[in-house]
Amino acid sequence: GAVVSQHPSRVICKSGTSVKIECRSLDFQATTMFWYRQFPKQSLMLMATSNEGSKATYEQGVEKDKFLINHASLTLSTLTVTSAHPEDSSFYICSARPSWNYEQYFGPGTRLTVT
Amino acid sequence: AQKITQTQPGMFVQEKEAVTLDCTYDTSDPSYGLFWYKQPSSGEMIFLIYQGSYDQQNATEGRYSLNFQKARKSANLVISASQLGDSAMYFCAMREGPETGKLIFGQGTTLQVKP
Repeated sequence: GAVVSQHPSRVICKSGTSVKIECRSLDFQATTMFWYRQFPKQSLMLMATSNEGSKATYEQGVEKDKFLINHASLTLSTLTVTSAHPEDSSFYICSARPSWNYEQYFGPGTRLTVT
Repeated sequence: AQKITQTQPGMFVQEKEAVTLDCTYDTSDPSYGLFWYKQPSSGEMIFLIYQGSYDQQNATEGRYSLNFQKARKSANLVISASQLGDSAMYFCAMREGPETGKLIFGQGTTLQVKP
């Protein structure tokens, strides 16, 4: 149980385009979903916290207009990287927190490359 | 402010031996949770073990145990009988407050198991 999927697992896009990453909790309802960014050999950096039906809370320094987060249902959150640039290339990981505990269940991650 | 510190960027261990990965934390909140995750080269975050701040006993999960020393604010991970498949990056994380369940991650330790 407690499986989280991410789609796509890898994406290559051209500079200036937008790309959407989906995060789904497959067998539970997620009260809260989190989006992280990770550069090679570095730690996970929390980008934003999203609760179903409300606006995401972004961490300091994260551009909300660039990284659009939508948490439309209890099983789906999306991250859209708008007008992507090469410096947005990174590993993006989502996690989902169920209503019954404080654990976070992580998705497998999405590797974004912007050319 | 809450903080997690892992001071060992890289560690080596001989196969079948035990290894300790260090983690110290700082928080003024009496209620907190500490997590250890393993991240192999594939990128997925694998939950290993959890310790609650009020837990009286050190957590154990198979070959993983957490050496929780509350007064010293340390939560070291001990892996017994290391296996080649244990080679990965390991992250210590702390749950930041009960409301959101946000996790703060340490810098990570890369563990290499030698045959």
